[in-house]
Amino acid sequence: SYVLTQPPSVSVAPGQTASITCGGNNIGSKTVHWYQQKPGQAPVLVVYDDSDRPSGIPERFSGSNSGNTATLTISRVEAGDEADYYCQVWDDSDHSNWVFGGGTKLTVL
Amino acid sequence: EVQLVESGGGLVQPGRSLRLSCTASGFTFGDFAMTWVRQAPGKGLEWVGFIRSKAFGGTTEYAASVKGRFTISRDDFKSIAYLQLNSLKTEDTAVYYCTRDGGNSYGLNWGQGTLVTVSS
Repeated sequence: SYVLTQPPSVSVAPGQTASITCGGNNIGSKTVHWYQQKPGQAPVLVVYDDSDRPSGIPERFSGSNSGNTATLTISRVEAGDEADYYCQVWDDSDHSNWVFGGGTKLTVL
Repeated sequence: EVQLVESGGGLVQPGRSLRLSCTASGFTFGDFAMTWVRQAPGKGLEWVGFIRSKAFGGTTEYAASVKGRFTISRDDFKSIAYLQLNSLKTEDTAVYYCTRDGGNSYGLNWGQGTLVTVSS
């Protein structure tokens, strides 16, 4: 089965740029989606189809995907961005299913 | 406004059954696949399964961990998706979320979740 690997934690100062990676075998050939989850809340889609943003998501959130790594980039980080972030792909190599990364805790210092 | 409201969670003994509901509003329910995702306490997200729209056969797919025990169905007239949980195990304890699928198999909108606790 397909595996997505995320760093457990990333820390960044307010106003700086945070990069959260999602590693997978030839992930560049797949389409990656990203979710933000704050404590006690449901996940929220922040990037879909590698680099598109749903309506209402600030332009500070962007995504890229190439080779074996996809990246969620958050520019001008704010305190309110502190949350868990999950990457997700669709995989049908074994059987049709969604695969999630283990999640990354973003801490705003 | 799109809304998804899960219900039916609670405390249940191992081996018993439970049915969760996801009531949708704000969109044409029958046009979309619906997916269930769960999250064990303090853990990450885990895909449970989904049901395609009738236009794509209304077929289902399940994670290996629940296949044969869980069943997803839908009632397009009532705009409700169901998750039937049978032969429950303690490791099924989690918050269960339903999602409306985006075009490329992702969770476009999420409900607030319902907690299922499996314990004797």
